[in-house]
Amino acid sequence: GESVGLHLPTLSVQEGDNSIINCAYSNSASDYFIWYKQESGKGPQFIIDIRSNMDKRQGQRVTVLLNKTVKHLSLQIAATQPGDSAVYFCAENMNTGFQKLVFGTGTRLLVSP
Amino acid sequence: EAGVAQSPRYKIIEKRQSVAFWCNPISGHATLYWYQQILGQGPKLLIQFQNNGVVDDSQLPKDRFSAERLKGVDSTLKIQPAKLEDSAVYLCASSSYRGNSYEQYFGPGTRLTVT
Repeated sequence: GESVGLHLPTLSVQEGDNSIINCAYSNSASDYFIWYKQESGKGPQFIIDIRSNMDKRQGQRVTVLLNKTVKHLSLQIAATQPGDSAVYFCAENMNTGFQKLVFGTGTRLLVSP
Repeated sequence: EAGVAQSPRYKIIEKRQSVAFWCNPISGHATLYWYQQILGQGPKLLIQFQNNGVVDDSQLPKDRFSAERLKGVDSTLKIQPAKLEDSAVYLCASSSYRGNSYEQYFGPGTRLTVT
């Protein structure tokens, strides 16, 4: 219900710190994983993706790590900035023959100056 | 390129009324998705179209929700009659296959409040 929405896991960091956001996924057959950033009042925005045959992928200031043994995904943001404040979702592609994304519940990142 | 367009941005209706949302995907994107996002949760797929055909509607409450994508471009999602638990943001996304990934682009969403 509505009360669940008010209790998103929250990560609070200082500007310049590195942030690590974690996600557990459910399907060991998932072949593709994506991290999305969602700012208030906007749709999710693609950040970075990784295929299941990789364990690490780097982008600009972001790194995604995949541990298939424990079905865990993490997003590392280097030198976090106030503009990084948002809700972050991981999504897994269920590998059903066409793309079907299942989203996690999200983590709110708060960056203070 | 222009993004995914949705309208209206906000809608308030009473329970048992009907409502419709419109989506215009990115030009050339064959795949279109409708998601429901309840406050504080991740988006949940309602229906997926490939061109004008339905690929997956397994999580669409078909007794009250319907969607169509005539001509394989724009799409509408309808709720009739609405219930209080339908209050959510309805997101439209579109994608095309590029390289070896299907990056989905999301619209801004329509926030529905059912009173």
